Amino acid sequence: SQTIHQWPATLVQPVGSPLSLECTVEGTSNPNLYWYRQAAGRGLQLLFYSVGIGQISSEVPQNLSASRPQDRQFILSSKKLLLSDSGFYLCAWSVLSGNEKLFFGSGTQLSVL
Amino acid sequence: GQNIDQPTEMTATEGAIVQINCTYQTSGFNGLFWYQQHAGEAPTFLSYNVLDGLEEKGRFSSFLSRSKGYSYLLLKELQMKDSASYLCAVMDSNYQLIWGAGTKLIIKP
Repeated sequence: SQTIHQWPATLVQPVGSPLSLECTVEGTSNPNLYWYRQAAGRGLQLLFYSVGIGQISSEVPQNLSASRPQDRQFILSSKKLLLSDSGFYLCAWSVLSGNEKLFFGSGTQLSVL
Repeated sequence: GQNIDQPTEMTATEGAIVQINCTYQTSGFNGLFWYQQHAGEAPTFLSYNVLDGLEEKGRFSSFLSRSKGYSYLLLKELQMKDSASYLCAVMDSNYQLIWGAGTKLIIKP
């Protein structure tokens, strides 16, 4: 069966510090991978998605970046965090087709102080 | 622009029935999803509608009317564990998901 692992669960970082969130998927090959951010009272915001190794599409201009060094690994990074980067970050995967459901990781609550 | 509207919060009683509405305006339509999200946890898939009509899955049902840009999620025989946020999401013509802000459902004994 397929599983998705995301860590850490919670993170408190000072403004200006770097960020690295990691997500791995097991039990499937060539998944679509996604990074979402969820702010209180707002819908999920798609940050990045990837259809293959090294292929990253950015949906929102920001100081975040994403990388996919391996087929089942997706990393969200920042060189310098801003206060506005606080939020609940979710990694997700879907099979490589158009209208399949998403499977989400357990999320990372990031607080930038 | 693209827009998904759903009520911010609803309250219902244990054992009762509740209907959560979702209206949408998107560039094209390739299906509508409902997800359940407990506080501090990841969303989990509930249902998918792409054709008009009602899809039933146990205590949960989801309805779609594409001509009206409208869907609802119906929860029957409510249990305390159903207290959660319910997210409506529409897949547009580019197969991008547009998400509503979610409806927080509070179940009272």
